[in-house]
Formats: sequence, C-alpha cells, structure tokens
Amino acid sequence: DIQMTQSPSSLSASVGDRVTITCRASQNISSYLNWYQQKPGKAPKLLIYGASSLESGVPSRFSGNGSGTDFTLTISSLQPEDFATYYCQQSYSTPRTFGQGTKVEIK
Amino acid sequence: QVQLQESGPGLVKPSGTLSLTCAVSGGSISSSTWWIWVRQPPGKGLEWIGEIYHSGSTNYNPSLKSRVTISVDKSKNQFSLKLSSVTAADTAVYYCARDGLFCSSTTCHRMFDYWGQGTLVTVSS
Repeated sequence: DIQMTQSPSSLSASVGDRVTITCRASQNISSYLNWYQQKPGKAPKLLIYGASSLESGVPSRFSGNGSGTDFTLTISSLQPEDFATYYCQQSYSTPRTFGQGTKVEIK
Repeated sequence: QVQLQESGPGLVKPSGTLSLTCAVSGGSISSSTWWIWVRQPPGKGLEWIGEIYHSGSTNYNPSLKSRVTISVDKSKNQFSLKLSSVTAADTAVYYCARDGLFCSSTTCHRMFDYWGQGTLVTVSS
C-alpha cells in the first residue's frame, strides 16, 4: 500500500493568512493526488484533483502543487468558511489511501 | 447533478453482517466510472473500503478483503456493501461515492467527486 503522510496534523491560523499543507507519498505517484475538505458532520468535498487542477466551483484561493512524492495544498487568504480538516488521497493505485488529515483551526 | 444516498441499519450486533445500500440518482450507475465505499471511525480519518464497476468488477482494501463484498444492481441504479464478522472497530460513518474520471489530452485522473451524506453504523450488542 502507498502511505500518505500529511503535515502538520493541525494548525492555527487567522482569517487572511496564507496556509500551506504538505502531503508526502511513500513512493512516486506522479500527479495522481487529490485534496478534500471535510467539515464536521459532513462528507468530504473534492477541492483539487490531479495534484493541481481546481474542481469546478472551488474558490481560486485554493491551489495545489507537486509531483512524484511531495505535494502541497495552499490557501492564499484563509476565509472563515475554510476552517475544516483537509485530506490528501492518492489515485495512483489500489487500495486508494488517504493522509491522516490536517485540521485548520481559528487562532 | 449526481446524488448518492446511503441506507441501512444503524446498529449491528458483534459478529453480525453490516449491510448498506447506496442509491444513485441524476446519473447512471452504468456510466464509465467506478463506485466506492469509504468509512470514517468517530474522530478519525478516512479509509477506502473498495470499489465496483457496473460490470461487477471489484477491488477491495486488503485489510478488509476477507470480510467485504460489494455488489451492483443496475436495474435499481444502486450498489451495496456487506461487511461480515463485525466488531466494535467497524463502528464508523460509512460513505458511498463516485470515483469520477477526467481525461486531458495526455492523461486521465480519477477522483471522488460525488459523495453521499454518510450513515453512522454502530456495532454493539
């Protein structure tokens, strides 16, 4: 199985801050990396697919970068509705695997 | 707009079988996509359980493979999950989702683009 490791596990930030979350794969997964946002009691929501492609309807303050084993999700200016948990997920092979999640909290 | 809705018992006894169904609306289950189950224990992360194609082809997480069966019913536009010999460790919110496909001129990507709202299944006597 491909292991996905996110860092940090949690972070505190203020509205307007630039936030970056890192995801590392245990082997080369090219650009087969997706990012999701999950709010309490809700299903995950797709933000980014193919490492850097923005899903339709997702605000442009979200961006993804990386290839191979190292990836980042950046929120350019954190908004109140962005406080949530973020997961990366590899689509390179089965079993599909997720990172452990990064919780973004209000400072 | 594709919509998915999970249904099934919210309480299962230990050693029993968990059975859930995911009804798909707004799209055909026979489209060129896979359909998946994901679970999330309370306060924890996401775990992919397995996937099915409309042809009936399946892939399962090796950690659950001996206990999982995913099936499809094209006539009802739905797919189902069975997990046998459950224990308290199987208590989780279970989600169904579509494993969508996007292809550019050079490559194709798969992503979980439509999700059900999730259903909590508790394993307890």
